[in-house]
Amino acid sequence: EDKVVQSPLSLVVHEGDTVTLNCSYEVTNFRSLLWYKQEKKAPTFLFMLTSSGIEKKSGRLSSILDKKELFSILNITATQTGDSAVYLCAVGKGGGSNYKLTFGKGTLLTVNP
Amino acid sequence: DGGITQSPKYLFRKEGQNVTLSCEQNLNHDAMYWYRQDPGQGLRLIYYSQIVNDFQKGDIAEGYSVSREKKESFPLTVTSAQKNPTAFYLCASNPRRELGLTDTQYFGPGTRLTVL
Repeated sequence: EDKVVQSPLSLVVHEGDTVTLNCSYEVTNFRSLLWYKQEKKAPTFLFMLTSSGIEKKSGRLSSILDKKELFSILNITATQTGDSAVYLCAVGKGGGSNYKLTFGKGTLLTVNP
Repeated sequence: DGGITQSPKYLFRKEGQNVTLSCEQNLNHDAMYWYRQDPGQGLRLIYYSQIVNDFQKGDIAEGYSVSREKKESFPLTVTSAQKNPTAFYLCASNPRRELGLTDTQYFGPGTRLTVL
């Protein structure tokens, strides 16, 4: 059975702190790993990773994938209260008509002023 | 504006009733998905469709049905057979992967269904 495990499940930090969110997976026919941010409603796309060791960066957020050890991390530096959200990790598998994402349970990040 | 719309935003249903959730997209995406999210849980896949008139069961399809008669529309019916339907339902879409396009799924704003 496919598994996507995120840790920690919740995290409380102060503004300015740096956080690292973890995502490990056991998925057959791996294609890609995606990170989403979910505030009140719809998840919004952050990164998609397909190759090991190549860091994706967007402002204070960055992410990297290790396909040998089957995990990814999402880093957020100099956190702000607006970073408070649930961060979801998803792994894409299969191809053609069978392509789909399997999601982890998410990490609830709370950034206090 | 291009995007994915879901309606209604909130829906209340009595036990034993079927209810249909709407999902429409004008992104010209071939693939569409339905997910269910419960408190403290990630998204679980209900049904997905990569092309018109074809769809596949996801991980938790029991008690749900879908249709895909048009590329833009992928409605989800929650039937009375679904034992615990109260949840947040999200629809998503993405271009077909075999066309060399992104794996990224884009989400609608969701429908919160409450069974009374």
